[in-house]
Amino acid sequence: GEDVEQSLFLSVREGDSSVINCTYTDSSSTYLYWYKQEPGAGLQLLTYIFSNMDMKQDQRLTVLLNKKDKHLSLRIADTQTGDSAIYFCAERDSWGKLQFGAGTQVVVTP
Amino acid sequence: ETGVTQSPTHLIKTRGQQVTLRCSSQSGHNTVSWYQQALGQGPQFIFQYYREEENGRGNFPPRFSGLQFPNYSSELNVNALELDDSALYLCASSLALAGTGELFFGEGSRLTVL
Repeated sequence: GEDVEQSLFLSVREGDSSVINCTYTDSSSTYLYWYKQEPGAGLQLLTYIFSNMDMKQDQRLTVLLNKKDKHLSLRIADTQTGDSAIYFCAERDSWGKLQFGAGTQVVVTP
Repeated sequence: ETGVTQSPTHLIKTRGQQVTLRCSSQSGHNTVSWYQQALGQGPQFIFQYYREEENGRGNFPPRFSGLQFPNYSSELNVNALELDDSALYLCASSLALAGTGELFFGEGSRLTVL
């Protein structure tokens, strides 16, 4: 099974906040990432957090990291239709290898 | 725009054939890694190159091989193609092995094996 786990689907109304959750297993992870993938496209780096931080904010995005529980979340404020995509959580080990979750499909409804 | 470019964007091969995919890293990045993303799944790590040497490999057979060139561009070669090799192949570049958080992906090469 996956070392990184995410819920598969999230539906959110336009203007509301979205919260995507992720759990990981490698306590020695250096960085944790959130990527966005639109249909037929590659991976767009949204944000990342160093493992010794517990929060990072970047405009509408807020990342929370709970190292004790190995839990990572991404909050998108004021969700827009353009935020509809698949979101991947990934952990990076000390060698630089990324381990991805299966992705969370976010659907934004009017 | 990540500065990571991949070619070709799409290609179709038949079982048993060989394929070469190419990646040009972001300027200044000396580490490149390759991932395979099957339909409906997250990307899976194939291998990583740092300063022209393989520096880590995932659970892929030897018929998956790679090269990194002095200008840090890279190739992924797959021999004896199988139907299950159909996937999006993604290249990612970064500065050093894990020294900074920035890790950028290209748009990918979509391979279909018939």
